[in-house]
Amino acid sequence: DIVMTQSPLSLPVTPGEPASISCRSSQSLLHSNGYHYLDWYLQKPGQSPQVLIYKGSNRASGVPDRFSGSGSGTDFTLKISRVEADDVGVYYCMQTLQSRTFGQGTKVEIK
Amino acid sequence: QVQLQESGPGLVKPSETLSLTCTVSGGSINGFYWSWIRQPPGKGLEWIGYIYYSGTTNYNPSLKSRVTASVDTSKNQFSLKLSSVTAADTAVYYCARLTGIPVPGTSYSYHYIDIWGKGTTVTVSS
Repeated sequence: DIVMTQSPLSLPVTPGEPASISCRSSQSLLHSNGYHYLDWYLQKPGQSPQVLIYKGSNRASGVPDRFSGSGSGTDFTLKISRVEADDVGVYYCMQTLQSRTFGQGTKVEIK
Repeated sequence: QVQLQESGPGLVKPSETLSLTCTVSGGSINGFYWSWIRQPPGKGLEWIGYIYYSGTTNYNPSLKSRVTASVDTSKNQFSLKLSSVTAADTAVYYCARLTGIPVPGTSYSYHYIDIWGKGTTVTVSS
């Protein structure tokens, strides 16, 4: 089974400042087709999760361009260029290469 | 737009079978993969499995022996059964749709979850 490990698990942020979340997989998420099988989701307080990034670095429809995904192999990063108050919630990475596995989640809150 | 609504008993007794249904409205169930995900109280997300509209399934290995998913295209619904439940199965259960992005040069697609239901709370208790 592929294990996903996120860090940090808690991230206090200042509005207007950048933020970064790391996600590591226990094995490479690079498919033979050249894509990385990794998604990012945000679960805002009291809501269902929503997709932010798919295939490692593709922003989903309607996602602000302040969100970006990068990485390769086993190391991936979600970056928020300028945090807004509406970005608070729990961020999850999920591998989709073998079955599906979520990371533990990173709780982002305003300082 | 497409909306998903979970339904089913909110309370299930230990050792019994949890049964949930997800109704798809605003669009067709045909042509898509459909998934179940759960979230224990105060904890993270756990993927349960998915089912293609044709009936092909794929389950979380840790739950595979207890999970059965099914689809009813005539009702635009898909369902989940989880047998021999314990208190550890207490969670909010979400149904979701996976949308496919064609992978160039291949006959398959990359799938990610683009639509989630609001979730339904299931408590396992006697």
